[in-house]
Amino acid sequence: SQTIHQWPATLVQPVGSPLSLECTVEGTSNPNLYWYRQAAGRGLQLLFYSVGIGQISSEVPQNLSASRPQDRQFILSSKKLLLSDSGFYLCAWSVGSIDYEQYFGPGTRLTVT
Amino acid sequence: KQEVTQIPAALSVPEGENLVLNCSFTDSAIYNLQWFRQDPGKGLTSLLLIQSSQREQTSGRLNASLDKSSGRSTLYIAASQPGDSATYLCAVSGDYKLSFGAGTTVTVRA
Repeated sequence: SQTIHQWPATLVQPVGSPLSLECTVEGTSNPNLYWYRQAAGRGLQLLFYSVGIGQISSEVPQNLSASRPQDRQFILSSKKLLLSDSGFYLCAWSVGSIDYEQYFGPGTRLTVT
Repeated sequence: KQEVTQIPAALSVPEGENLVLNCSFTDSAIYNLQWFRQDPGKGLTSLLLIQSSQREQTSGRLNASLDKSSGRSTLYIAASQPGDSATYLCAVSGDYKLSFGAGTTVTVRA
């Protein structure tokens, strides 16, 4: 069966510090991968999606970036965090068409202080 | 741009009552619609997926309907239980991404 992992589960970082969040998927090949952010009191916002290694599409211009160094690994990064980057970050995967059913990971709670 | 709205934002019912959660979307050109459940501080659990060609989907006590032409979906939860307390999110798929509503937070009182 397929499993999706995210780490760390929680993170507290000062403004201006770098960020690296990791997501890995097990039990499937060639998944589509997604990063979402859920800010307090707001809905989920798609940040990035990837249909293959090295292929990243950005949905929202911001100081975040994403990379996909391996087929089942998706990394969200920032060089300098802003207070507005605080939120709950969720990774998701799907297979086949990018419009197929998505499955979500447990999330990372990021607090920027 | 797809806009997804969920009404009501919050709902409190006594145990045993049926739940009706509404979702509306502005662009009917969707591929599918998913309903998710989110517990506090947790990720999303997929409950039901309705393909754009389908009218409804059922799983246990859950039933979801889809009227694509009018841009509406309804999630019915029969005989609610305290364990059903959570936030329920609907999302529509199209243009290579999911667009989410803000969710309905449900509290089932024992």
